[in-house]
Amino acid sequence: NAGVIQTPRHKVTGKGQEATLWCEPISGHSAVFWYRQTIVQGLEFLTYFRNQAPIDDSGMPKERFSAQMPNQSHSTLKIQSTQPQDSAVYLCASSLARNTGQLYFGEGSKLTVL
Amino acid sequence: GDSVTQTEGLVTVTEGLPVKLNCTYQTTYLTIAFFWYVQYLNEAPQVLLKSSTDNKRTEHQGFHATLHKSSSSFHLQKSSAQLSDSALYYCALSASNVGDNSKLIWGLGTSLVVNP
Repeated sequence: NAGVIQTPRHKVTGKGQEATLWCEPISGHSAVFWYRQTIVQGLEFLTYFRNQAPIDDSGMPKERFSAQMPNQSHSTLKIQSTQPQDSAVYLCASSLARNTGQLYFGEGSKLTVL
Repeated sequence: GDSVTQTEGLVTVTEGLPVKLNCTYQTTYLTIAFFWYVQYLNEAPQVLLKSSTDNKRTEHQGFHATLHKSSSSFHLQKSSAQLSDSALYYCALSASNVGDNSKLIWGLGTSLVVNP
């Protein structure tokens, strides 16, 4: 079984450019999560989908971040007008159900904003 | 509010010696489960241990943890650290109330370095 697949693994953008990150969850998993990981903040929750519907986006910076899940096999995280402080590893995870706490993470997309 | 507090920052231990990573929590939720996740360098976080039973020891890969609701703790321990245990460890709480969506609360992570 393939795990959670994230692309690209590394992305370098200039300040002000747009970055789009992709996630393919494990087949059959109904919940998809996006996290941001930095040394200082650890794992920060961004947003969560269940059965493709957005459930909780309380962690998303409202102005420049957006996430979508157009089908059950694909989610995207888009960052507009990227800033140096957006540099981080963005992790996607999926799970069978919302309340198990057992998430299966992808290897992450490392975003560097110059 | 709900929170998870871990041993901060970096823990360094010599190979073969015991190691303990602390995790305590605070929550008003009724139903809780605990997880220790481990993240090796350049890899994805993965579940190391999980438990929802009070005072029951859980073991995996030589690590063990016991949920103690009386002291709000779920410390991770190993009797003999190995070089391959060097990694980032996260403690996480999955909490839910009847009728509510559950939520997953993370500690900030503890970096464990095992030296020869």
